[in-house]
Amino acid sequence: DAKTTQPNSMESNEEEPVHLPCNHSTISGTDYIHWYRQLPSQGPEYVIHGLTSNVNNRMASLAIAEDRKSSTLILHRATLRDAAVYYCILRDVVKGGSEKLVFGKGTKLTVNP
Amino acid sequence: DGGITQSPKYLFRKEGQNVTLSCEQNLNHDAMYWYRQDPGQGLRLIYYSQIVNDFQKGDIAEGYSVSREKKESFPLTVTSAQKNPTAFYLCASSRTRGSSYEQYFGPGTRLTVT
Repeated sequence: DAKTTQPNSMESNEEEPVHLPCNHSTISGTDYIHWYRQLPSQGPEYVIHGLTSNVNNRMASLAIAEDRKSSTLILHRATLRDAAVYYCILRDVVKGGSEKLVFGKGTKLTVNP
Repeated sequence: DGGITQSPKYLFRKEGQNVTLSCEQNLNHDAMYWYRQDPGQGLRLIYYSQIVNDFQKGDIAEGYSVSREKKESFPLTVTSAQKNPTAFYLCASSRTRGSSYEQYFGPGTRLTVT
C-alpha cells in the first residue's frame, strides 16, 4: 500500500487559514489523493480528492505538487467546527474496482477561539 | 435522507459471546466496508463487499465474519475468536464504477467486551 506522512498535530486560530501538509513520495501515476476528516466519536467524512490539478470545493482546497509527491489541504478560514483528525489517503484500487482506503493516524487539528 | 445507519451506538458484551453489528444504507451503493478503529489510531479494513453475495477479507479479518444477502445490508459478526474485540467499528459504502468515488461512513458502533 502506498503510504502517506502527515504531522501528528497542528494548531490554528479561528478565522485564519490552515495548511495541512501530506507527503506521499511513493505515489503511483494512477493514485488519487483523498482527504477525509473525522470529528470526535464520529465516522470520517469525505473532504476532497484530486489526481494532478489543484481542486476546490465548498469545504476546502487541495494543492498538489507538480511531481505529485506531496499535497496540501487548505481550509481558507478555520472555524471551531473544523477541529478534527484529517487523513490524507492514496486510493488503492482493489480487484473489481471498489476503493480500498488505507488510513494512517492523520493530523489532529486544534482550532483556538 | 440518504445515508448509512449503524446500530446500536454502544454495545456491551461478555467475553466468549458472539455479537452482530448492524449496517444499513439507502444510497444504492454497490460496495460496503467494515473498519475497526482503536484509540488514537487510524481505521483498519476488516471486510468489504463489492456486490450482493460476495465479500473479501480486508487486512484484519481474523475473528470476524460478514454476510451480504441484500444490497442495503452488510452485518458484521464479532466472534469469540477475536482476541481484542473492544473497539470502535465503522461501516461505509461507495459506488464502484467511474473515477474516484468517496466512501460514506456511518456513525459507528462502540463495542466493549469485558
